[in-house]
Amino acid sequence: GAVVSQHPSRVICKSGTSVKIECRSLDFQATTMFWYRQFPKKSLMLMATSNEGSKATYEQGVEKDKFLINHASLTLSTLTVTSAHPEDSSFYICSAKSSGRARHEQFFGPGTRLTVL
Amino acid sequence: AQSVTQLDSQVPVFEEAPVELRCNYSSSVSVYLFWYVQYPNQGLQLLLKYLSGSTLVKGINGFEAEFNKSQTSFHLRKPSVHISDTAEYFCAVSEVGSNYKLTFGKGTLLTVNP
Repeated sequence: GAVVSQHPSRVICKSGTSVKIECRSLDFQATTMFWYRQFPKKSLMLMATSNEGSKATYEQGVEKDKFLINHASLTLSTLTVTSAHPEDSSFYICSAKSSGRARHEQFFGPGTRLTVL
Repeated sequence: AQSVTQLDSQVPVFEEAPVELRCNYSSSVSVYLFWYVQYPNQGLQLLLKYLSGSTLVKGINGFEAEFNKSQTSFHLRKPSVHISDTAEYFCAVSEVGSNYKLTFGKGTLLTVNP
């Protein structure tokens, strides 16, 4: 149980285009989802916290107009990278937290590798 | 704000040897502590967590960690490693009352050699 999926697993896009990444909790309801960015040889950096039905809370230094987050249901959150540039290339990982069991634990998705040409 | 320091960026060991991956944290309030493992191009998998109670925590794959409040440490140990344990290991902290936001250390690459 507690499976989180991400789609797509890999995406390559041209500079200036927008890319949408989906994060789904497959067997539980996620009241809160988190979006992280991971650079090569670096740790995970929290970008934003997404609560179902409300606006996301962004960490300092993260542009909310560039990284649009929508948490429309208890099982789906999306991250849209708008007007992508090569410096946005990274590994994006989402996690989901259940309101019920294991409420202290975040369950992580497999990640999405974004390459902007 | 909380912070996490993983003192070793890389730890090479031989198969069947013991290993300890070090983690220290800083916080002004009570914390929850976690160790995650990440295999190449994959997400994170929880190894173990400390929430409260016994300071010695046992996790999956034979790993264990000990919470030491006075030293603000949460070192990860395994008595005998396997080649399959080769991966990146992340220590993370969540402050109580922070809506479970995690702050990660920079990771330690454990390489198990035959």
